[in-house]
Amino acid sequence: EDQVTQSPEALRLQEGESSSLNCSYTVSGLRGLFWYRQDPGKGPEFLFTLYSAGEEKEKERLKATLTKKESFLHITAPKPEDSATYLCAVNNAGNQFYFGTGTSLTVIP
Amino acid sequence: DGGITQSPKYLFRKEGQNVTLSCEQNLNHDAMYWYRQDPGQGLRLIYYSQIVNDFQKGDIAEGYSVSREKKESFPLTVTSAQKNPTAFYLCASTSARGLFFYGYTFGSGTRLTVV
Repeated sequence: EDQVTQSPEALRLQEGESSSLNCSYTVSGLRGLFWYRQDPGKGPEFLFTLYSAGEEKEKERLKATLTKKESFLHITAPKPEDSATYLCAVNNAGNQFYFGTGTSLTVIP
Repeated sequence: DGGITQSPKYLFRKEGQNVTLSCEQNLNHDAMYWYRQDPGQGLRLIYYSQIVNDFQKGDIAEGYSVSREKKESFPLTVTSAQKNPTAFYLCASTSARGLFFYGYTFGSGTRLTVV
């Protein structure tokens, strides 16, 4: 069965303290792995799509990487405005989406 | 600006009452989805529609109903048969091309509370 597991559930960082969020997946034919950012009380917003192992994408302080079993979202020198829940999702060969439960990130000034 | 509009933002339901959540998109997307989000759980699919006048049940359709009479609109009714409706409800849409490149576009959500 296809599934997505995110860790940790919650992460507290000091401003400027770099870290990584993990998304492990099992999927029958990966068509794409997606990262979204969700602010409290709002809908998820698209960040990145990764398609094949070895691929990397960057946006400001965020960098997403992909292997055959997992994806990492690296956050470099985070700021308080990076505080949010980060969701990972996979799209399989049947065009079905599976979401992880998210990592709640808090960046303390 | 194109996007998805969900209304209301907050909704309160009394026991035994049916309520309808609105979802409208002006992105010209064919496919629309309803998800339920609970703390500590991933997004769970309630219903989806890939074309007007057609829709399919998702993983947790019991106690919910939908209609798709217009391409732009996909309202969700939470019926009295749904025993635990308190949750955050998200509407999403996508196109065939969009599904591959960025997945879904989401609305801002409706928080439903049973009182």
